[in-house]
Amino acid sequence: GDQVEQSPSALSLHEGTDSALRCNFTTTMRSVQWFRQNSRGSLISLFYLASGTKENGRLKSAFDSKERRYSTLHIRDAQLEDSGTYFCAAEASSGSWQLIFGSGTQLTVMP
Amino acid sequence: ETAVFQTPNYHVTQVGNEVSFNCKQTLGHDTMYWYKQDSKKLLKIMFSYNNKQLIVNETVPRRFSPQSSDKAHLNLRIKSVEPEDSAVYLCASSLGLGLNTLYFGAGTRLSVL
Repeated sequence: GDQVEQSPSALSLHEGTDSALRCNFTTTMRSVQWFRQNSRGSLISLFYLASGTKENGRLKSAFDSKERRYSTLHIRDAQLEDSGTYFCAAEASSGSWQLIFGSGTQLTVMP
Repeated sequence: ETAVFQTPNYHVTQVGNEVSFNCKQTLGHDTMYWYKQDSKKLLKIMFSYNNKQLIVNETVPRRFSPQSSDKAHLNLRIKSVEPEDSAVYLCASSLGLGLNTLYFGAGTRLSVL
């Protein structure tokens, strides 16, 4: 079936550094969403993209507009409060409305 | 700001018992969902409910059933819990089906002894 491969599974950063998370899709996707899950368990929506890029503060996300087979989430100037588990979720182009979640990236930002 | 509310936050029960989890959204959305997050944090869709239309993931055991009184509420009932049902159950809502941002509740953590 359709799959979402998210990498890396875990990431440690020092404050002030930059990094990127990536999701590869085994098939063409209509849209992608990025979420952060905090220690209390709440999943917070960061971005929804049907194409192109979006930026919000130190976060920026891109969705490959040509083949629609991958998406990235860039974190600039990482802060302690960025720690959490990040998920991408994609909606297949094949007609199914269902979101397929990646396995998550556990991000730890250290002082 | 929270707009999808789940109760309870935690529930501990024994094998064979019936449990029910509540979810309410105040966003005026037409579609609500239940997801299961296992111990490895993998998220899987269980149900979606849109305009009185229920869509079920075929892998969900029959002891699970969603219950909706109106479009703002979608509860989850488990008739006879099994140990493998221990997980976090997350409720979500969106404006409609497909191509919409999902808004999640904080989850209900179920432990089956």
